[in-house]
Amino acid sequence: EAQVTQNPRYLITVTGKKLTVTCSQNMNHEYMSWYRQDPGLGLRQIYYSMNVEVTDKGDVPEGYKVSRKEKRNFPLILESPSPNQTSLYFCASSLNMDRVDTEAFFGQGTRLTVV
Amino acid sequence: AQKITQTQPGMFVQEKEAVTLDCTYDTSDPSYGLFWYKQPSSGEMIFLIYQGSYDQQNATEGRYSLNFQKARKSANLVISASQLGDSAMYFCAMRERNDYKLSFGAGTTVTVRA
Repeated sequence: EAQVTQNPRYLITVTGKKLTVTCSQNMNHEYMSWYRQDPGLGLRQIYYSMNVEVTDKGDVPEGYKVSRKEKRNFPLILESPSPNQTSLYFCASSLNMDRVDTEAFFGQGTRLTVV
Repeated sequence: AQKITQTQPGMFVQEKEAVTLDCTYDTSDPSYGLFWYKQPSSGEMIFLIYQGSYDQQNATEGRYSLNFQKARKSANLVISASQLGDSAMYFCAMRERNDYKLSFGAGTTVTVRA
């Protein structure tokens, strides 16, 4: 089954404790992206990757890091989480970004709470 | 500037009735795509319907239809014959040709009453 898998689904952590949210897709997609969802703001892009070893900042990259060492994986790293990073996070992948109608496949979401 | 505007934070609709969710967008790119997603309480994002900027006809997918008014830059979602399972948050999103992301609106919460 074609899917994007995020782990963990839920995470409560303390301020400053490094964490990684994993994202893996099994569709051989070139493009992967991370979004955060906050009430009243919708989803906003954090980082994206056009292919292996090619990453770039989205609209809200501060406090986050990513890497794309393999095509299928795109982990999101919070080196020193703060309470303002409490949010619902989504990983998404697409075959590529060549066309505006290319479908995005979303992971199940990771609900992160930083206390 | 906000690229996608959804002005209705929440709506109630009676079961079996139709509901229209408003979405306006802002872009100077002639090539763009508009998407609607459903997010139930379980949290996942479910793709509903797509409309391209060059499409001549309004998109339809089952009980979902998109009222696309290009000159007004609006792409309203119409859900016909509402069901209890339609209760969810709905997001309008846009992908511009020269951008590498989906731009989302704030969302509209729909509650279907029996």
